[in-house]
Amino acid sequence: GAGVSQTPSNKVTEKGKYVELRCDPISGHTALYWYRQSLGQGPEFLIYFQGTGAADDSGLPNDRFFAVRPEGSVSTLKIQRTERGDSAVYLCASSLTRTNEQFFGPGTRLTVL
Amino acid sequence: AQSVTQLDSQVPVFEEAPVELRCNYSSSVSVYLFWYVQYPNQGLQLLLKYLSGSTLVKGINGFEAEFNKSQTSFHLRKPSVHISDTAEYFCAVSERGNEKLTFGTGTRLTIIP
Repeated sequence: GAGVSQTPSNKVTEKGKYVELRCDPISGHTALYWYRQSLGQGPEFLIYFQGTGAADDSGLPNDRFFAVRPEGSVSTLKIQRTERGDSAVYLCASSLTRTNEQFFGPGTRLTVL
Repeated sequence: AQSVTQLDSQVPVFEEAPVELRCNYSSSVSVYLFWYVQYPNQGLQLLLKYLSGSTLVKGINGFEAEFNKSQTSFHLRKPSVHISDTAEYFCAVSERGNEKLTFGTGTRLTIIP
């Protein structure tokens, strides 16, 4: 079956611009996670959704970052006033329930010039 | 808060030789432990996981790991590596009741023909 998909695969933007990154989880998965992987580092947790609600957003670095999952399926990570330090690969993962294995998407590589 | 340490950033190994990738974690509560693999230009894939029960866990592609609570370690091993094992390997931990994964910085495994 289809895995987790993320669009776009690459995004280049200019400092100060607004970007949206999309995640389509595996059908039927209720839990959805966003992580950020900087060069040479492991993924870092950003936010976790259970259904439509953000159950844990403790990893969002500041209020420029926001994520939604309005219908409990697709999620969008939104970054306002992008900075060069936001450049990273943004990973999305989903799991059947909150205690099951997380399946990762291929990521969106964000480059802020 | 939990943390993960992968002491070796790079490990070169001759083909058909054994390998051990080290992982130590820190947590004040019970944990789940994971090893993920990231092949070049691909997303993260789960190799194996420890949730409870037997401390020796077997995963895909001939890998295994042993949970050692007293040493807070979860080292990954394979008795004989192949060229196809060339990848980045990430150890991760989550605390029971808290689903977010905390990753180590990764170990790049390079197989020498």
